[in-house]
Amino acid sequence: TQLLEQSPQFLSIQEGENLTVYCNSSSVFSSLQWYRQEPGEGPVLLVTVVTGGEVKKLKRLTFQFGDARKDSSLHITAAQPGDTGLYLCAGEENYGQNFVFGPGTRLSALP
Amino acid sequence: GAVVSQHPSWVICKSGTSVKIECRSLDFQATTMFWYRQFPKQSLMLMATSNEGSKATYEQGVEKDKFLINHASLTLSTLTVTSAHPEDSSFYICSARDGGGAGTYSNQPQHFGDGTRLSIL
Repeated sequence: TQLLEQSPQFLSIQEGENLTVYCNSSSVFSSLQWYRQEPGEGPVLLVTVVTGGEVKKLKRLTFQFGDARKDSSLHITAAQPGDTGLYLCAGEENYGQNFVFGPGTRLSALP
Repeated sequence: GAVVSQHPSWVICKSGTSVKIECRSLDFQATTMFWYRQFPKQSLMLMATSNEGSKATYEQGVEKDKFLINHASLTLSTLTVTSAHPEDSSFYICSARDGGGAGTYSNQPQHFGDGTRLSIL
């Protein structure tokens, strides 16, 4: 089973600031997902990236999949308090045989 | 689309009770469902992978007889925590994946239920 690392683990920023969260592995994934989870709820899917080098945008969120499909980043522009939550990346191994979750990045966007 | 319903959302019961948690895919057929456990301020820990019509695959360290998983249909999987004790108290989350049929790869992500908070007194 592959391991996924996320950095930073915790991030506290002011409203309006930009931030980037990283997800890294030493091995290749078939695809990678980003989720956001709020306390007491299940993770909500934000995006799936499949192709190396792929960039996807979701309003103020920009997701990038590394060329080698080993890493990914999530960039948030002009953070808002509503962006607060636990951001999880998940890598899909061997075309659906297994999913590996990173430890998460806990973001606090303060007003 | 891709809605997963988990029930109940909150359970409080006495030690020794068995608790059943249901996970349903409401608008798609889930050939594979996953059960996770999450401790406060931590990430998800995979407990088992459940394929419709076959026995679940448990992760190392997860007791099969303690956490019974049944995936009897393409839209329903259940997790039963047998003879629960306070150390079983946790947040349990299921997810479902639109599998695309046996022997095929559908490139679909997991979709999660809202979780069940289990408190054993």
